[in-house]
Amino acid sequence: DAGVIQSPRHEVTEMGQEVTLRCKPISGHDYLFWYRQTMMRGLELLIYFNNNVPIDDSGMPEDRFSAKMPNASFSTLKIQPSEPRDSAVYFCASSPGFLGNEQFFGPGTRLTVL
Amino acid sequence: KNEVEQSPQNLTAQEGEFITINCSYSVGISALHWLQQHPGGGIVSLFMLSSGKKKHGRLIATINIQEKHSSLHITASHPRDSAVYICAVRGSGGGADGLTFGKGTHLIIQP
Repeated sequence: DAGVIQSPRHEVTEMGQEVTLRCKPISGHDYLFWYRQTMMRGLELLIYFNNNVPIDDSGMPEDRFSAKMPNASFSTLKIQPSEPRDSAVYFCASSPGFLGNEQFFGPGTRLTVL
Repeated sequence: KNEVEQSPQNLTAQEGEFITINCSYSVGISALHWLQQHPGGGIVSLFMLSSGKKKHGRLIATINIQEKHSSLHITASHPRDSAVYICAVRGSGGGADGLTFGKGTHLIIQP
């Protein structure tokens, strides 16, 4: 299995531009998580899905952030418009069925907003 | 929301030393994870535990549910163990199934 796949690995954009981050979870995993890591705040949960349905988006910082999971093998995290304070590493993780299972992390997308 | 505290924040040790990293949390949990983040940024899950102790190679993780405390031990430490070790907890119900993270312990093992 290839593991969790994220793209792009690096993204540099200018303030005000739309940014789309992509994630392919491990096949058969029912849970998908989006996390953000910054020096100041460490790792934070943004949103998670169960069977393609968003369950908790309370970690999404503001309306500029949105996430979708149109099918079991693909999810996107979109920032529109982007701001310099959005610069961070964004991780996607997936996990099989039920509570208490290990999460498998993707390599992350390093986003820089100028 | 659960508060997760790790100590120490930074640790430098000599190769071969026994290492202990501590994690405390404020609210009851269903599971606790220890993660390792390599210098390149990738995150690997080391352990997931809800009680007792787990061992994998030179790594040992313990948890005391009553005291809301977990420790990660590394025996015979090696420079390749240099990484950031992150404790993360999953709530016991009613909230997100995602993880709440500690700030991490930056470990450097010198040859």
